Amino acid sequence: GQNIDQPTEMTATEGAIVQINCTYQTSGFNGLFWYQQHAGEAPTFLSYNVLDGLEEKGRFSSFLSRSKGYSYLLLKELQMKDSASYLCAALDSNYQLIWGAGTKLIIKP
Amino acid sequence: GAVVSQHPSRVICKSGTSVKIECRSLDFQATTMFWYRQFPKQSLMLMATSNEGSKATYEQGVEKDKFLINHASLTLSTLTVTSAHPEDSSFYICSARDPQGDTEQFFGPGTRLTVL
Repeated sequence: GQNIDQPTEMTATEGAIVQINCTYQTSGFNGLFWYQQHAGEAPTFLSYNVLDGLEEKGRFSSFLSRSKGYSYLLLKELQMKDSASYLCAALDSNYQLIWGAGTKLIIKP
Repeated sequence: GAVVSQHPSRVICKSGTSVKIECRSLDFQATTMFWYRQFPKQSLMLMATSNEGSKATYEQGVEKDKFLINHASLTLSTLTVTSAHPEDSSFYICSARDPQGDTEQFFGPGTRLTVL
């Protein structure tokens, strides 16, 4: 079956760095997305990786290893507004998104 | 990026009534739209894929007669929850893929449905 695994919850300190991991098993693979979702709101796009390696976009970076079925989202210089759920989603061979349950990130002052 | 709107943002209805939720792509034409449901503290669950001009494709376990989907134009898809019950209370989110762009899905702001 298809499966996405990511930690349920993580806690970090304002100004620090946090890495949220995601492992996936899908029927075919056409890329991996990271979305940010604040409570009561729809997800917003953060990143898309389809090739191995690190993609940097400001304070956020995303890494993909296709051979390991692994990705991570790296958040630097954490701000209180970064408190949210972070959703990992893989695009399968039918271009359908398979969603993880999300990682709730709690930022403490 | 592309913009997707959703209406209403919040609706409260009595058990047994029907509720229609609209999803519009504002600056692009979407041949395919997706409807998701999200219960508290859970991930997005794909309900159905809405295809313009044809029948929607429903995921296993989703009742097509209860969740009616109409994708009448390239910019509008509607989800009607028929004979709603309290267990249908959830956050419903639509998304659309811009066929001119890459594989990213653009999400609407979501609709919070509460059935009393």
